[in-house]
Amino acid sequence: AQSVSQHNHHVILSEAASLELGCNYSYGGTVNLFWYVQYPGQHLQLLLKYFSGDPLVKGIKGFEAEFIKSKFSFNLRKPSVQWSDTAEYFCAVTLSGGYNKLIFGAGTRLAVHP
Amino acid sequence: EAGVAQSPRYKIIEKRQSVAFWCNPISGHATLYWYQQILGQGPKLLIQFQNNGVVDDSQLPKDRFSAERLKGVDSTLKIQPAKLEDSAVYLCASSFDGYPYFGPGTRLLVL
Repeated sequence: AQSVSQHNHHVILSEAASLELGCNYSYGGTVNLFWYVQYPGQHLQLLLKYFSGDPLVKGIKGFEAEFIKSKFSFNLRKPSVQWSDTAEYFCAVTLSGGYNKLIFGAGTRLAVHP
Repeated sequence: EAGVAQSPRYKIIEKRQSVAFWCNPISGHATLYWYQQILGQGPKLLIQFQNNGVVDDSQLPKDRFSAERLKGVDSTLKIQPAKLEDSAVYLCASSFDGYPYFGPGTRLLVL
């Protein structure tokens, strides 16, 4: 069955620390990959996406993610986090083409302390 | 550009009652999704429409949940009768380019 795994459920960092959130997926074909963010009290927003091309994807607010096909991974990174990055982060995957459903991971709750 | 609109934002009901949620997608978005997000979990797709046709409803509990998208624009999701385990946030999303734009959600509490 298709699935998405996020390794860390809770991450606590100090401001200026580096961030890496893991995401692995189990899919049998060509995939499209996404990271969504949900700030406290707000709705889900797209952070970045990968459809094809350069496997290193730049998103908003200094975030980036790298697609490693051989490892079925799409880890999210940021070199220096800010207090305002406190949020829940969701990795999501869909099969390319057609009207395929988007499968989400369980999410990682990030708390950044000043 | 207006986002995805949902109402109500909050709903509290007793078990065995029925409830309905409404969604107005972004104008021009042919694909509409309903997701269920239980506390501590990622969103789970309940049903996906393409215009007014159902593309995927494999995880919709059809004995109690129903959804419709008449005219291919607005959509309603109904639960009848509700169970305690239906307490969750119900998210509506729409897309035109393969990934969903989400609404604020309806937080449902079943007592």
